[in-house]
Amino acid sequence: EAGVTQFPSHSVIEKGQTVTLRCDPISGHDNLYWYRRVMGKEIKFLLHFVKESKQDESGMPNNRFLAERTGGTYSTLKVQPAELEDSGVYFCASSQVRNPYEQYFGPGTRLTVT
Amino acid sequence: RKEVEQDPGPFNVPEGATVAFNCTYSNSASQSFFWYRQDCRKEPKLLMSVYSSGNEDGRFTAQLNRASQYISLLIRDSKLSDSATYLCVVPPFTGGGNKLTFGTGTQLKVEL
Repeated sequence: EAGVTQFPSHSVIEKGQTVTLRCDPISGHDNLYWYRRVMGKEIKFLLHFVKESKQDESGMPNNRFLAERTGGTYSTLKVQPAELEDSGVYFCASSQVRNPYEQYFGPGTRLTVT
Repeated sequence: RKEVEQDPGPFNVPEGATVAFNCTYSNSASQSFFWYRQDCRKEPKLLMSVYSSGNEDGRFTAQLNRASQYISLLIRDSKLSDSATYLCVVPPFTGGGNKLTFGTGTQLKVEL
């Protein structure tokens, strides 16, 4: 069974540019999450989808971040315009509805904003 | 007070040693806990879950102390391959959604 995949693995952009991250969850997992780890800090929750619906977006830092999950399959996280403090590793995770806390993480996208 | 606190380490131990990490949590309503393992520049992977008094899986034992609000992870007969960062993770209490709260992690280095 394929795990959670993320693209790209690395992205280096300049301040003010736009970046879109993609996550493909494990097949059959209705729950999809985005988390972020900035340097020196703990991994922090950003938001949670159940299928195509945003269930909880309490962790989204500001309106420069936009997440979508059209069709309830893969998800994208767009940062526009990017700021220096957005640098970090963005993890996607997925889980089944019947066992929501057993979350499987993707390898992450390492974003560097210069 | 942080929701989840861990000693960042590093814990440097010789191969074969027994090592234990603690993690304290602030929400007394929390019912379950997880230990995740994260290798350098890799994703976190679920290691163990702790739902009641404790859990044992081979060389790994996780215990929960509700009165003092901490969980521990004990690793016996350490292997070089156990070198990693161990993340303490607390799910929300019932009705609080699905978001996991992570500690900053404890770094373990097992040496020859």
